[in-house]
Amino acid sequence: GAVVSQHPSWVICKSGTSVKIECRSLDFQATTMFWYRQFPKQSLMLMATSNEGSKATYEQGVEKDKFLINHASLTLSTLTVTSAHPEDSSFYICSASIVPLSIFEAFFGQGTRLTVV
Amino acid sequence: SQQGEEDPQALSIQEGENATMNCSYKTSINNLQWYRQNSGRGLVHLILIRSNEREKHSGRLRVTLDTSKKSSSLLITASRAADTASYFCATDATGTASKLTFGTGTRLQVTL
Repeated sequence: GAVVSQHPSWVICKSGTSVKIECRSLDFQATTMFWYRQFPKQSLMLMATSNEGSKATYEQGVEKDKFLINHASLTLSTLTVTSAHPEDSSFYICSASIVPLSIFEAFFGQGTRLTVV
Repeated sequence: SQQGEEDPQALSIQEGENATMNCSYKTSINNLQWYRQNSGRGLVHLILIRSNEREKHSGRLRVTLDTSKKSSSLLITASRAADTASYFCATDATGTASKLTFGTGTRLQVTL
């Protein structure tokens, strides 16, 4: 099956610094990737839709200047948490869709646990 | 919020028993999926059921869908300790099965 790799799997950073998380589709091309955030013991909430070669679409309440998304190629999307604060500590998960879009389950990365201290 | 609700929030059963989890959602959908998440890990896709389907089976899993009631259920038969995880339903309204709205989840504990 299709594989989505997320890196790093965990990261600890100081408050005020920026952190970049990568999401790669290893064996397929993904024009669209999705970024989710999950707080402890809660469900996944969609943050943004990442489209290759164009600007990301953010969900309501998600600050686009704080969560920078770049989808420069068909196999890589990155999420940069800028000026991270402790309240940004969360589990971030990406998913990817196979090209072309069709009725198909999304493939998820293994997630990145971000801890801001 | 368009997020779906799942019940129960937590379920504890003994190995060998069946586990049933329910999911309700709010909008019209193209399909509904169930995922499993082990603690602090990524998601594992279990099963997808389309809006024109009413029931689907996969191994020990049985999923039903009632679009008139906007609800779905996941039945795990003959549970095992390895089934211990959180289970989420996820709906898609766009037809791509990719942009998902997740339910609140059910934490299943299977004891020996």
